Amino acid sequence: SQTIHQWPATLVQPVGSPLSLECTVEGTSNPNLYWYRQAAGRGLQLLFYSVGIGQISSEVPQNLSASRPQDRQFILSSKKLLLSDSGFYLCAWSVRMGTDALRPQHFGDGTRLSIL
Amino acid sequence: SQQGEEDPQALSIQEGENATMNCSYKTSINNLQWYRQNSGRGLVHLILIRSNEREKHSGRLRVTLDTSKKSSSLLITASRAADTASYFCATAPPNGGRRALTFGSGTRLQVQP
Repeated sequence: SQTIHQWPATLVQPVGSPLSLECTVEGTSNPNLYWYRQAAGRGLQLLFYSVGIGQISSEVPQNLSASRPQDRQFILSSKKLLLSDSGFYLCAWSVRMGTDALRPQHFGDGTRLSIL
Repeated sequence: SQQGEEDPQALSIQEGENATMNCSYKTSINNLQWYRQNSGRGLVHLILIRSNEREKHSGRLRVTLDTSKKSSSLLITASRAADTASYFCATAPPNGGRRALTFGSGTRLQVQP
């Protein structure tokens, strides 16, 4: 069966420090991969999505970046964190099926990021 | 309002009652999906309804879709305390469009035992 791992579960970082959040998927190949941010009590804001290795689409211009060095690995990074980067970060994957409509997404358990 | 906007924002009911949540959207869709999120956890997919479908059932869940009104509803029958969670709708664009879902801001459901 497919599983998605996201770590760390919680992270406290000072303003101006770098960030690296990692997400890996097991049990499937060629998935679509997504990074979301969720503010407390709010909906999901799509940050990045990827339909293949090295293919990253950015939804919101900001000081975050994403990379997909391997088929089932998705990394969210920042060189210098801002206070506004605090939030709950969620990684998700879905089956990629050509031009078919988007399939259900499967989420990791998230990373709670606090910037001090 | 945003694409995929739920109402009410919050709903409190007693165990055994039915819970109805609504979702409105603005642009054409290929399908609409409902997700559930327990506090502090990731989202879990509940049900997907395609644009050419009007109603779909899964256990105690019933979803309707009215593309003419650009709206959907999620009905949870005979609710349980364990149904307490936030519920989100998400819209998928037509084929060939942006390959990402658009999520609403969610309905927080509280089921009192």
